[in-house]
Amino acid sequence: DAKTTQPTSMDCAEGRAANLPCNHSTISGNEYVYWYRQIHSQGPQYIIHGLKNNETNEMASLIITEDRKSSTLILPHATLRDTAVYYCIVRPDNNAGNMLTFGGGTRLMVKP
Amino acid sequence: DTGVSQNPRHKITKRGQNVTFRCDPISEHNRLYWYRQTLGQGPEFLTYFQNEAQLEKSRLLSDRFSAERPKGSFSTLEIQRTEQGDSAMYLCASSRLGRSTNEKLFFGSGTQLSVL
Repeated sequence: DAKTTQPTSMDCAEGRAANLPCNHSTISGNEYVYWYRQIHSQGPQYIIHGLKNNETNEMASLIITEDRKSSTLILPHATLRDTAVYYCIVRPDNNAGNMLTFGGGTRLMVKP
Repeated sequence: DTGVSQNPRHKITKRGQNVTFRCDPISEHNRLYWYRQTLGQGPEFLTYFQNEAQLEKSRLLSDRFSAERPKGSFSTLEIQRTEQGDSAMYLCASSRLGRSTNEKLFFGSGTQLSVL
């Protein structure tokens, strides 16, 4: 699997947009970008994923650069409950059961 | 849909003892995964099942670890002769593999193992 690089930690003010970057410069053509987050004492939670087009759902937006070497997860109006570790993962989507390979993630702290 | 359930939530054991964890996936999810997570690290893949078949095991899964999913529903993870290095959070996840290739994993809250 391609490796990802994320900042170790970030702060964000409550109510502001949180922009979490991820570098995946060695991503392959069939690999999707997935984002999960893990709130303290809970298991990881799926947020969003995409291949090359920007994606939006009720939780977040995913912006993928044209060359697909990096992406940004956007939480448009961060709340205190968004404080969590955010994991960016690249994974081939070939139904072969390839496991998610988690890195260290970004610890996002949303502050009042 | 009650989510992925893991029991127990916490387990404290003495070194050398055997422990068993249980995972009940979301109903009708045909894939089930086990992960391990130590403090400050991301989850590490251990093994996964598609229905009752165990299809892949990580090199992290030593001979002391065994996982089963006998009827393709719930799964158990057993650790024999526990060591202090086995202390970690053990996470279970399930997913439904269908015609769509968009596989989302749903995780339980984990079992926290402490080996004294």
